Amino acid sequence: AQTVTQSQPEMSVQEAETVTLSCTYDTSESDYYLFWYKQPPSRQMILVIRQEAYKQQNATENRFSVNFQKAAKSFSLKISDSQLGDAAMYFCAYRSSAGNTGNQFYFGTGTSLTVIP
Amino acid sequence: GAGVSQSPSNKVTEKGKDVELRCDPISGHTALYWYRQSLGQGLEFLIYFQGNSAPDKSGLPSDRFSAERTGGSVSTLTIQRTQQEDSAVYLCASSLGGKRRKTQYFGPGTRLLVL
Repeated sequence: AQTVTQSQPEMSVQEAETVTLSCTYDTSESDYYLFWYKQPPSRQMILVIRQEAYKQQNATENRFSVNFQKAAKSFSLKISDSQLGDAAMYFCAYRSSAGNTGNQFYFGTGTSLTVIP
Repeated sequence: GAGVSQSPSNKVTEKGKDVELRCDPISGHTALYWYRQSLGQGLEFLIYFQGNSAPDKSGLPSDRFSAERTGGSVSTLTIQRTQQEDSAVYLCASSLGGKRRKTQYFGPGTRLLVL
């Protein structure tokens, strides 16, 4: 089974600074999707960014970007110009693109991000 | 449009009682997922529905857990004879079906506390 590892249980960043959250995964598949979700105290899981494994270009969404290293099976999230509203738990997730095995999303254990004013 | 909704938001029950948790997916989404999130933990997959296909129940932790999806839309997760270790946030998510089911959209969750 695929596994997703987030080795940083907690991170903090000064407001307006940049922070990088780490994620590694283990898979034997060549085609898959990777996601970063944000979960603020309200519990609502919100999609931050998505990356298709077949795309070499790193995904970017405004202040959020990823560093996708397929060979290293690494998928880090960079948050630029951090804002107080970025404070949340961040989850990295993996999903296969294959038929039957694509039912499940595999989530890491999360990284709690604190933004310091 | 409306997102995924779940009810109730919070549920407190006594050990041994049965509970039902409800999920209304986004209209048009044929795939529906249930997850459990224990305190300080990641998401644990429970069950997956896709259209009229047989559900993938591989994540259900015991036979006390069951789920159904009526008419391909609303889903109910039932926990029988609740135990204290069932206390968690139960999240529902939906997505488009087939090869387009790239992204899941989550509801706000139901926080279950078993006393």
